[in-house]
Amino acid sequence: KNQVEQSPQSLIILEGKNCTLQCNYTVSPFSNLRWYKQDTGRGPVSLTIMTFSENTKSNGRYTATLDADTKQSSLHITASQLSDSASYICVVSAPYGGSQGNLIFGKGTKLSVKP
Amino acid sequence: DSGVTQTPKHLITATGQRVTLRCSPRSGDLSVYWYQQSLDQGLQFLIQYYNGEERAKGNILERFSAQQFPDLHSELNLSSLELGDSALYFCASSDTDGQQETQYFGPGTRLLVL
Repeated sequence: KNQVEQSPQSLIILEGKNCTLQCNYTVSPFSNLRWYKQDTGRGPVSLTIMTFSENTKSNGRYTATLDADTKQSSLHITASQLSDSASYICVVSAPYGGSQGNLIFGKGTKLSVKP
Repeated sequence: DSGVTQTPKHLITATGQRVTLRCSPRSGDLSVYWYQQSLDQGLQFLIQYYNGEERAKGNILERFSAQQFPDLHSELNLSSLELGDSALYFCASSDTDGQQETQYFGPGTRLLVL
């Protein structure tokens, strides 16, 4: 079964610090990998999308990396701000999702940035 | 604001009832996706429509159905509701049905089944 595992489940950091969130997946074949940010009670917002041929992609203070060989991705947040407090969701797209559909979601990492 | 609208914002109903959730995609987007997010679960993909046709199906229960109308808005119908159906239901839209598209999510409908 295709799966996406994220770690840690939750993380607390101080404002201004950097952090890295991890995503491991078993989805195969694989089309692309996305990172979303979801504020509490709101819809997810896309941060990055990477295909298997891309190693890194940045969006402001967010940098995603992808190692398609080891099936691992990370999201690095630089100089965190209070507004970064949210859940970060890793989503892997499979061309043939079967009963799971084409998009397989991780459960997310809940990040809290404290002043 | 993503440009995707969902109504109602909140819905409280009883077990055994039927509800309809509505989604209007961003202007020009042809694809609509429905997701369920329970308290202790990640987002679960339910179903996708592209230009009125069903394009992909996830773990959608038989008690649930959806459709996309000619004006591209979509409705998700949930029937014979159970307590476990209480969740946030999100709609998303994209301009194509391709794998590389960015999906824009609506604010969600919070359903509480009592």
